[in-house]
Amino acid sequence: NAGVTQTPKFRVLKTGQSMTLLCAQDMNHEYMYWYRQDPGMGLRLIHYSVGEGTTAKGEVPDGYNVSRLKKQNFLLGLESAAPSQTSVYFCASSPDQTETQYFGPGTRLLVL
Amino acid sequence: AQSVSQHNHHVILSEAASLELGCNYSYGGTVNLFWYVQYPGQHLQLLLKYFSGDPLVKGIKGFEAEFIKSKFSFNLRKPSVQWSDTAEYFCAVNAYMDSNYQLIWGAGTKLIIKP
Repeated sequence: NAGVTQTPKFRVLKTGQSMTLLCAQDMNHEYMYWYRQDPGMGLRLIHYSVGEGTTAKGEVPDGYNVSRLKKQNFLLGLESAAPSQTSVYFCASSPDQTETQYFGPGTRLLVL
Repeated sequence: AQSVSQHNHHVILSEAASLELGCNYSYGGTVNLFWYVQYPGQHLQLLLKYFSGDPLVKGIKGFEAEFIKSKFSFNLRKPSVQWSDTAEYFCAVNAYMDSNYQLIWGAGTKLIIKP
């Protein structure tokens, strides 16, 4: 039982490049989330999903897209990376909206 | 907009000192309350949570928190900290708004325990 896993762990991009971050959970959770963590700002919700095939915008969705084609996977895409997207990205999952969220180890992204 | 305020961004204590980290929120309706912890180099994990019942909640590693509804507060406490408690602590409030639950996070408090 791996919980929530994220790949890659670390990535360096040049401005304008694209990439996809993968999140996988093996707990059969309906809800999945993508956050970014920046110093002094806590966690900010980028996008979330309430089930397979559904996605919704969070607090800071601009510049990101997501897909949830399979219940266990939640992908975060950056179409054209910008230096402002340098951050640590965390994926989380939960059985429902009110319950504890379980976090992955994070992806550290540097955009030059 | 609803918000969660953690008053101290950095706290430095010596081992065996008592700890209290403040958390206040602005939402007046029904809430579920959480404290998460992020140890250096690790992912966030749940420390404790409050949904209903006894407002004094006990969590892992000797931590506890008290929900005071009249003060919109959910402060985290530990009577005697250890070096291994060095971490960043996040308060989060799950509030029902606009026909949906939203989890609102505080900015975090970095706790450093001097051995």
